[in-house]
Amino acid sequence: DIQMTQSPSSVSASVGDRVTITCRASQGINTWLAWYQQKPGKAPKLLIYGASSLQSGVPSRFSGSGSGTDFTLTISSLQPEDFATYYCQQANSFPLTFGPGTKVDFK
Amino acid sequence: EVQLLESGGGLVQPGGSLRLSCVASGFSFSSYDMTWVRQSPGKGLEWVSAISGSGANTYYADSVRGRFVISRDNPKSTLSLQMSGLTAEDTALYYCAKEMSQLWLTDYWGQGILVTVSS
Repeated sequence: DIQMTQSPSSVSASVGDRVTITCRASQGINTWLAWYQQKPGKAPKLLIYGASSLQSGVPSRFSGSGSGTDFTLTISSLQPEDFATYYCQQANSFPLTFGPGTKVDFK
Repeated sequence: EVQLLESGGGLVQPGGSLRLSCVASGFSFSSYDMTWVRQSPGKGLEWVSAISGSGANTYYADSVRGRFVISRDNPKSTLSLQMSGLTAEDTALYYCAKEMSQLWLTDYWGQGILVTVSS
């Protein structure tokens, strides 16, 4: 099974900050990776697929990069509505696996 | 508008069974792979099971293989998850999810249905 790790597990930031979250796969997954945002009490929302493609309707301050085993999600200028938990997920092979999540909260 | 509406959750005793359903609308159901993902209270996301658009191919997490069965009724646009041998570790919010075309990545999620396994 492919294990997904994320760092940091949590980050405290302020509105306007640049935030970067990393995701690492235990083996190469090409660009078969997605990033999701989840707010309390809500279903996850797809932000990025194919490691770097922005899902329709997602603000351009979100971007993704990477391939193989190392990936990043960047929020260029954090907005109040971006405080949430972010998960990466690999789609290279079954079982599909998620990272443990990174919580972005107020500094 | 894509909509996924789960039902069938509730309280069940350890060792019991439960069947979750998800009625889909707003897209051509048979053309898309579907998955179930769960989230235990206060925890992260865990992929549970997946099924191809035709229903010919199914996949399971090791934690549920042999106890859960995923199926779909394409004419009724309904996805199901038959769960048996339930334990406290299966207590979670279960999400029905639509996968992107040609990708096992989720672009739409249901609101989730709670399954509680307790005596």
